[in-house]
Amino acid sequence: EAQVTQNPRYLITVTGKKLTVTCSQNMNHEYMSWYRQDPGLGLRQIYYSMNVEVTDKGDVPEGYKVSRKEKRNFPLILESPSPNQTSLYFCASSHPWDRDHEQYFGPGTRLTVT
Amino acid sequence: AQSVTQPDIHITVSEGASLELRCNYSYGATPYLFWYVQSPGQGLQLLLKYFSGDTLVQGIKGFEAEFKRSQSSFNLRKPSVHWSDAAEYFCAVSDFGNYGGSQGNLIFGKGTKLSVKP
Repeated sequence: EAQVTQNPRYLITVTGKKLTVTCSQNMNHEYMSWYRQDPGLGLRQIYYSMNVEVTDKGDVPEGYKVSRKEKRNFPLILESPSPNQTSLYFCASSHPWDRDHEQYFGPGTRLTVT
Repeated sequence: AQSVTQPDIHITVSEGASLELRCNYSYGATPYLFWYVQSPGQGLQLLLKYFSGDTLVQGIKGFEAEFKRSQSSFNLRKPSVHWSDAAEYFCAVSDFGNYGGSQGNLIFGKGTKLSVKP
């Protein structure tokens, strides 16, 4: 089954404790992206990657890092989480050259930083 | 810069009534437009998309949307709302209308929350 998976689905952590949210897709997509969703703000892009070893900042990259060492994986790293990073996070992937460019979303990771 | 505006933060309709959710976009070239739905506690589900051709597009769950270039709008409609349609709806635009230079990033509106009265 074609899918985007994220782990963990729920995470409660404390300020300053490094964490990684994993994202993996099995569709051989070149493009992957991370979004955060906050009430009243919709989804905002954090980082995206056009292919292996190619990443770029989205609209809200501060406090986050990413890496793309393999095509299927795109982990999101919070090296020193703060309470303002409490949010719902979504990973997405697509073939950027597909004519209709549909992005496939993971199920989301709800992060709480205390 | 591209942007998407959903003017209505919250809409309440009675079950069986018709629905229209508004979406306006700002984009210089031909946009790729999407509507997503998010049920409470769930992820995002694609309802429908437009990238060319017929300006009235049909989606899942009985939804449709009409692209109006002159109004920069892509409003979502449903003739008869069901209680299970209560959710948050997001309009999004992709910059992938221009091959060779765009990244295909999605710009989302802030969402419209739909409540359905019995």
